[in-house]
Amino acid sequence: QKEVEQNSGPLSVPEGAIASLNCTYSDRVSQSFFWYRQYSGKSPELIMSIYSNGDKEDGRFTAQLNKASQYVSLLIRDSQPSDSATYLCAVNISGSARQLTFGSGTQLTVLP
Amino acid sequence: GAGVSQSPSNKVTEKGKDVELRCDPISGHTALYWYRQSLGQGLEFLIYFQGNSAPDKSGLPSDRFSAERTGGSVSTLTIQRTQQEDSAVYLCASSLLAGGPLNEQYFGPGTRLTVT
Repeated sequence: QKEVEQNSGPLSVPEGAIASLNCTYSDRVSQSFFWYRQYSGKSPELIMSIYSNGDKEDGRFTAQLNKASQYVSLLIRDSQPSDSATYLCAVNISGSARQLTFGSGTQLTVLP
Repeated sequence: GAGVSQSPSNKVTEKGKDVELRCDPISGHTALYWYRQSLGQGLEFLIYFQGNSAPDKSGLPSDRFSAERTGGSVSTLTIQRTQQEDSAVYLCASSLLAGGPLNEQYFGPGTRLTVT
């Protein structure tokens, strides 16, 4: 089992819809969770971080964390074509890890 | 403010040559990380530095890889006797601190290394 798993997609949603991206992780003691957006040919860009169970909202983005289920998700409301990118879930695996362990990413396409 | 910078942006080298990749972190960030991203592969951790502490080298794939961080700021990743499987984008990231809520890592633009 991979330490951080994401559906690779591709995920296509129409413009204006809600895009839902999911991520599961293997280590129960993981404490910090991040979502990065990566456009083709570019480096990852941090869009959300979440540390506590529940929801965290920032503009059109909402991160949801459920530590009991070892699950973190990202919702993108009112999706725009400019949101088309690969979304990477990253976790500090185990309590002592400082580096991030990344999922393989979900490719999102928002259709105009 | 200025983000993480890396140089060169692209590097083409012949198999067997040594290469040096440079990273300049965000000012004030004490933690610096190196990752690499190969075509079709995920982001792979290589090494991280926190202040003056000994670096965590647990992700380095072989002894041909080494890194240093001088003065707690700029870092250089060196790959000796490059092999074709070293071809990848090498990404540097920095954060205020390593671990905890201040571990938000910000990436530089990367160096694309091609070994021919």
